[in-house]
Amino acid sequence: EAQVTQNPRYLITVTGKKLTVTCSQNMNHEYMSWYRQDPGLGLRQIYYSMNVEVTDKGDVPEGYKVSRKEKRNFPLILESPSPNQTSLYFCASSFTGFTEAFFGQGTRLTVV
Amino acid sequence: GQQLNQSPQSMFIQEGEDVSMNCTSSSIFNTWLWYKQDPGEGPVLLIALYKAGELTSNGRLTAQFGITRKDSFLNISASIPSDVGIYFCAGQSAGGTSYGKLTFGQGTILTVHP
Repeated sequence: EAQVTQNPRYLITVTGKKLTVTCSQNMNHEYMSWYRQDPGLGLRQIYYSMNVEVTDKGDVPEGYKVSRKEKRNFPLILESPSPNQTSLYFCASSFTGFTEAFFGQGTRLTVV
Repeated sequence: GQQLNQSPQSMFIQEGEDVSMNCTSSSIFNTWLWYKQDPGEGPVLLIALYKAGELTSNGRLTAQFGITRKDSFLNISASIPSDVGIYFCAGQSAGGTSYGKLTFGQGTILTVHP
Protein backbone atom coordinates (compact mmCIF):
# COMPACT_ATOMS: atom_id res chain seq x y z
CA GLU A 1 0.00 0.00 0.00
CA ALA A 2 1.30 3.41 -1.02
CA GLN A 3 1.77 5.51 2.07
CA VAL A 4 3.70 8.09 4.06
CA THR A 5 4.57 6.83 7.53
CA GLN A 6 5.47 9.07 10.44
CA ASN A 7 6.70 8.05 13.85
CA PRO A 8 5.89 8.57 16.59
CA ARG A 9 2.21 9.56 16.37
CA TYR A 10 2.30 11.19 19.79
CA LEU A 11 5.24 12.58 21.74
CA ILE A 12 5.53 14.51 24.99
CA THR A 13 8.98 15.84 25.79
CA VAL A 14 10.75 18.44 27.91
CA THR A 15 12.32 21.68 26.80
CA GLY A 16 15.81 21.22 25.41
CA LYS A 17 15.75 17.46 24.91
CA LYS A 18 16.69 16.66 21.31
CA LEU A 19 14.17 14.64 19.36
CA THR A 20 13.67 13.24 15.87
CA VAL A 21 10.40 12.58 14.07
CA THR A 22 10.85 10.08 11.26
CA CYS A 23 9.09 10.11 7.90
CA SER A 24 9.24 7.40 5.27
CA GLN A 25 7.47 7.03 1.92
CA ASN A 26 7.26 3.95 -0.30
CA MET A 27 6.23 5.65 -3.54
CA ASN A 28 9.67 6.60 -4.86
CA HIS A 29 8.72 10.27 -4.61
CA GLU A 30 11.39 12.90 -5.17
CA TYR A 31 9.75 15.76 -3.29
CA MET A 32 9.20 15.62 0.47
CA SER A 33 8.26 18.29 2.96
CA TRP A 34 7.34 18.96 6.56
CA TYR A 35 4.42 21.09 7.73
CA ARG A 36 3.17 22.14 11.11
CA GLN A 37 -0.52 22.67 11.80
CA ASP A 38 -1.69 25.15 14.41
CA PRO A 39 -5.28 26.21 15.16
CA GLY A 40 -6.42 29.09 13.00
CA LEU A 41 -3.23 29.05 10.92
CA GLY A 42 -3.70 26.06 8.65
CA LEU A 43 -0.56 24.17 7.67
CA ARG A 44 2.74 25.98 7.24
CA GLN A 45 5.78 24.54 5.51
CA ILE A 46 8.88 24.03 7.67
CA TYR A 47 11.40 22.47 5.26
CA TYR A 48 11.30 20.72 1.93
CA SER A 49 13.54 18.49 -0.14
CA MET A 50 13.57 18.24 -3.93
CA ASN A 51 15.73 15.13 -3.94
CA VAL A 52 18.44 13.29 -2.05
CA GLU A 53 20.87 15.70 -0.38
CA VAL A 54 18.82 18.73 -1.56
CA THR A 55 16.91 20.52 1.20
CA ASP A 56 15.70 24.08 1.70
CA LYS A 57 13.80 26.20 4.20
CA GLY A 58 10.07 26.72 4.07
CA ASP A 59 8.12 29.46 5.83
CA VAL A 60 8.85 28.51 9.46
CA PRO A 61 12.25 26.74 9.62
CA GLU A 62 13.58 28.24 12.87
CA GLY A 63 14.36 25.59 15.47
CA TYR A 64 14.22 22.69 13.03
CA LYS A 65 16.66 20.68 10.96
CA VAL A 66 16.14 18.04 8.30
CA SER A 67 18.24 15.61 6.31
CA ARG A 68 17.67 13.63 3.11
CA LYS A 69 20.30 10.93 2.88
CA GLU A 70 18.00 8.46 1.17
CA LYS A 71 15.09 9.06 -1.17
CA ARG A 72 12.50 7.40 1.05
CA ASN A 73 13.35 9.05 4.40
CA PHE A 74 13.08 12.65 5.52
CA PRO A 75 13.48 13.01 9.30
CA LEU A 76 12.64 16.21 11.17
CA ILE A 77 15.06 17.08 13.96
CA LEU A 78 14.45 19.41 16.87
CA GLU A 79 17.84 19.99 18.46
CA SER A 80 16.52 21.92 21.46
CA PRO A 81 12.70 21.85 21.51
CA SER A 82 10.81 24.73 23.07
CA PRO A 83 7.14 25.01 24.11
CA ASN A 84 6.30 27.10 21.03
CA GLN A 85 7.08 24.03 18.94
CA THR A 86 4.13 22.23 20.46
CA SER A 87 2.08 21.46 17.36
CA LEU A 88 0.75 18.83 14.97
CA TYR A 89 3.36 17.91 12.38
CA PHE A 90 2.78 16.41 8.94
CA CYS A 91 5.20 14.94 6.48
CA ALA A 92 4.18 14.95 2.81
CA SER A 93 5.62 13.52 -0.39
CA SER A 94 4.96 13.84 -4.12
CA PHE A 95 6.60 12.79 -7.39
CA THR A 96 7.63 16.36 -8.04
CA GLY A 97 6.84 19.73 -6.53
CA PHE A 98 3.85 20.05 -8.88
CA THR A 99 2.06 16.76 -8.41
CA GLU A 100 -0.38 15.57 -5.75
CA ALA A 101 1.06 15.61 -2.25
CA PHE A 102 0.34 12.62 0.01
CA PHE A 103 0.35 13.30 3.73
CA GLY A 104 1.30 11.13 6.66
CA GLN A 105 -1.06 10.69 9.60
CA GLY A 106 0.64 13.34 11.70
CA THR A 107 2.72 13.56 14.86
CA ARG A 108 1.29 15.43 17.80
CA LEU A 109 4.20 16.93 19.73
CA THR A 110 3.92 18.53 23.15
CA VAL A 111 6.95 20.30 24.64
CA VAL A 112 6.66 21.10 28.35
CA GLY B 1 4.77 35.95 2.32
CA GLN B 2 1.70 34.70 0.52
CA GLN B 3 -1.49 34.49 2.54
CA LEU B 4 -4.75 32.73 1.96
CA ASN B 5 -7.98 33.78 3.63
CA GLN B 6 -10.48 30.95 3.87
CA SER B 7 -14.09 31.40 4.91
CA PRO B 8 -16.17 30.54 6.71
CA GLN B 9 -14.11 29.29 9.63
CA SER B 10 -16.83 26.84 10.64
CA MET B 11 -20.22 25.66 9.45
CA PHE B 12 -23.02 23.75 11.16
CA ILE B 13 -25.51 22.34 8.67
CA GLN B 14 -28.27 19.78 8.39
CA GLU B 15 -27.78 16.61 6.39
CA GLY B 16 -28.91 17.19 2.81
CA GLU B 17 -27.98 20.86 2.69
CA ASP B 18 -25.47 22.29 0.24
CA VAL B 19 -22.22 23.83 1.46
CA SER B 20 -20.03 26.51 0.00
CA MET B 21 -16.61 27.73 1.12
CA ASN B 22 -14.02 29.93 -0.54
CA CYS B 23 -10.45 31.15 -0.44
CA THR B 24 -8.92 34.41 -1.53
CA SER B 25 -5.26 35.22 -1.91
CA SER B 26 -3.17 38.35 -1.91
CA SER B 27 -1.15 36.93 -4.80
CA ILE B 28 -1.49 34.67 -7.82
CA PHE B 29 -1.26 30.89 -7.73
CA ASN B 30 -0.79 28.49 -10.62
CA THR B 31 -2.63 25.63 -8.95
CA TRP B 32 -5.48 25.54 -6.45
CA LEU B 33 -6.10 22.45 -4.37
CA TRP B 34 -8.80 21.44 -1.93
CA TYR B 35 -8.02 18.98 0.88
CA LYS B 36 -10.12 17.32 3.54
CA GLN B 37 -8.77 16.32 6.94
CA ASP B 38 -10.57 13.74 9.07
CA PRO B 39 -9.92 13.65 12.82
CA GLY B 40 -6.56 12.07 13.59
CA GLU B 41 -5.55 11.88 9.93
CA GLY B 42 -3.51 13.84 7.45
CA PRO B 43 -5.10 15.94 4.70
CA VAL B 44 -6.36 14.07 1.65
CA LEU B 45 -6.66 15.70 -1.77
CA LEU B 46 -10.24 16.20 -3.00
CA ILE B 47 -9.87 18.32 -6.12
CA ALA B 48 -6.97 19.91 -8.01
CA LEU B 49 -7.42 22.91 -10.34
CA TYR B 50 -4.72 23.83 -12.84
CA LYS B 51 -6.19 26.52 -15.08
CA ALA B 52 -7.79 29.90 -14.41
CA GLY B 53 -11.55 29.64 -14.86
CA GLU B 54 -11.50 25.84 -14.57
CA LEU B 55 -14.58 24.24 -13.00
CA THR B 56 -14.06 20.66 -11.82
CA SER B 57 -16.37 18.15 -10.17
CA ASN B 58 -15.66 15.06 -8.11
CA GLY B 59 -18.93 13.38 -7.17
CA ARG B 60 -20.88 15.80 -4.98
CA LEU B 61 -17.94 18.21 -4.88
CA THR B 62 -17.44 21.07 -7.31
CA ALA B 63 -14.56 23.53 -7.25
CA GLN B 64 -13.55 26.47 -9.39
CA PHE B 65 -10.25 28.22 -10.06
CA GLY B 66 -11.00 31.94 -10.10
CA ILE B 67 -10.34 33.85 -13.30
CA THR B 68 -8.00 36.26 -11.50
CA ARG B 69 -6.00 33.25 -10.16
CA LYS B 70 -6.38 34.75 -6.69
CA ASP B 71 -9.41 32.83 -5.50
CA SER B 72 -11.20 29.49 -5.50
CA PHE B 73 -14.41 28.04 -4.11
CA LEU B 74 -15.59 24.57 -3.14
CA ASN B 75 -19.21 23.46 -3.11
CA ILE B 76 -20.53 20.27 -1.54
CA SER B 77 -24.03 19.29 -2.58
CA ALA B 78 -26.49 17.20 -0.54
CA SER B 79 -24.20 16.88 2.48
CA ILE B 80 -24.02 13.60 4.41
CA PRO B 81 -22.64 12.87 7.91
CA SER B 82 -19.31 11.58 6.57
CA ASP B 83 -18.61 15.02 5.07
CA VAL B 84 -17.69 16.11 8.60
CA GLY B 85 -14.09 17.29 8.85
CA ILE B 86 -11.80 20.21 8.18
CA TYR B 87 -11.53 21.46 4.61
CA PHE B 88 -8.44 23.30 3.48
CA CYS B 89 -7.74 25.23 0.34
CA ALA B 90 -4.12 25.39 -0.80
CA GLY B 91 -2.37 27.37 -3.47
CA GLN B 92 0.77 26.28 -5.25
CA SER B 93 3.21 28.54 -7.04
CA ALA B 94 5.16 27.81 -10.21
CA GLY B 95 8.69 27.69 -8.94
CA GLY B 96 11.67 29.62 -7.73
CA THR B 97 11.95 29.71 -3.97
CA SER B 98 8.32 28.56 -3.69
CA TYR B 99 8.88 25.33 -5.67
CA GLY B 100 6.35 22.75 -4.57
CA LYS B 101 5.25 24.70 -1.53
CA LEU B 102 1.61 24.53 -0.63
CA THR B 103 0.23 27.66 1.03
CA PHE B 104 -2.80 26.64 3.07
CA GLY B 105 -5.88 28.51 4.15
CA GLN B 106 -6.90 28.47 7.80
CA GLY B 107 -9.43 25.69 7.26
CA THR B 108 -13.24 25.37 7.42
CA ILE B 109 -14.60 23.07 10.12
CA LEU B 110 -17.74 21.37 8.80
CA THR B 111 -20.28 19.77 11.11
CA VAL B 112 -23.25 17.92 9.63
CA HIS B 113 -26.25 17.14 11.81
CA PRO B 114 -28.20 14.02 10.81
